[in-house]
Amino acid sequence: DAGVIQSPRHEVTEMGQEVTLRCKPISGHDYLFWYRQTMMRGLELLIYFNNNVPIDDSGMPEDRFSAKMPNASFSTLKIQPSEPRDSAVYFCASSIGTSGGATDTQYFGPGTRLTVL
Amino acid sequence: KQEVTQIPAALSVPEGENLVLNCSFTDSAIYNLQWFRQDPGKGLTSLLLIQSSQREQTSGRLNASLDKSSGRSTLYIAASQPGDSATYLCAVMTGFQKLVFGTGTRLLVSP
Repeated sequence: DAGVIQSPRHEVTEMGQEVTLRCKPISGHDYLFWYRQTMMRGLELLIYFNNNVPIDDSGMPEDRFSAKMPNASFSTLKIQPSEPRDSAVYFCASSIGTSGGATDTQYFGPGTRLTVL
Repeated sequence: KQEVTQIPAALSVPEGENLVLNCSFTDSAIYNLQWFRQDPGKGLTSLLLIQSSQREQTSGRLNASLDKSSGRSTLYIAASQPGDSATYLCAVMTGFQKLVFGTGTRLLVSP
C-alpha cells in the first residue's frame, strides 16, 4: 500500500484566498483524521471522520475551516478565506478502527506545508 | 483538559549511548499511550503503543513503559545510532480515537 497520500506537499497563497488540501487514506481504513502542526501549539486534532461521517470537529478553529469526506478514499480540508495565522503543516492520518480503539495505530501522511502571505 | 509534556525538549548524545525520553500527562483516564517518530519534512511514524492495562512494550532497541497512576511514560533507546536522530512525540488517546500530543523531544545522535 502507498500509505496516506496528501496533496499538495507545499502551498503558498495570499491572504484571503481559498485553500484546499487533499487526502487519500489507506484503503480499508475506516477513520480519517486532520491535524495541524505549528511551533507554538504543536500537533492538534482538527476533525475526524468514521466511515465518511464527521464525528468530532471540536478542534476546527473557526468557521473559515471546513472538511468533507465524499467517499472512503478522499477527503478535503478547505480554508476560506485564508489568513497568515493559518500557516502550518497540515497532516492527514487514517486508522483501521477496531472495537474500542485501544489498539489502533494512526498512519500519517507526509503533510502539506501551508504558507499564507 | 488533558495536557502532555515531554522532557527534555532537545537532547544531543554521542552514538552508542543509552537514553531515556520522558512524557507526562495530567489525566490518567486514557485508552492508550503511543510514541511516534517524526523526521524533518515527513509525517509521523508509530513506534510503540501501550494499552492502558499494560506496563510496557518493546520493539527492537526501543522500550516504552507506562505508569498510568502517576501519569508518566518513558521511551528507552538502547545503543543509539545516528539514524535515530529525529523528533519523538508521545500521545495519549483520551477519547475514542482522539489523540493528544506532547510537544516532542528533538534527538540528535552524533557519530
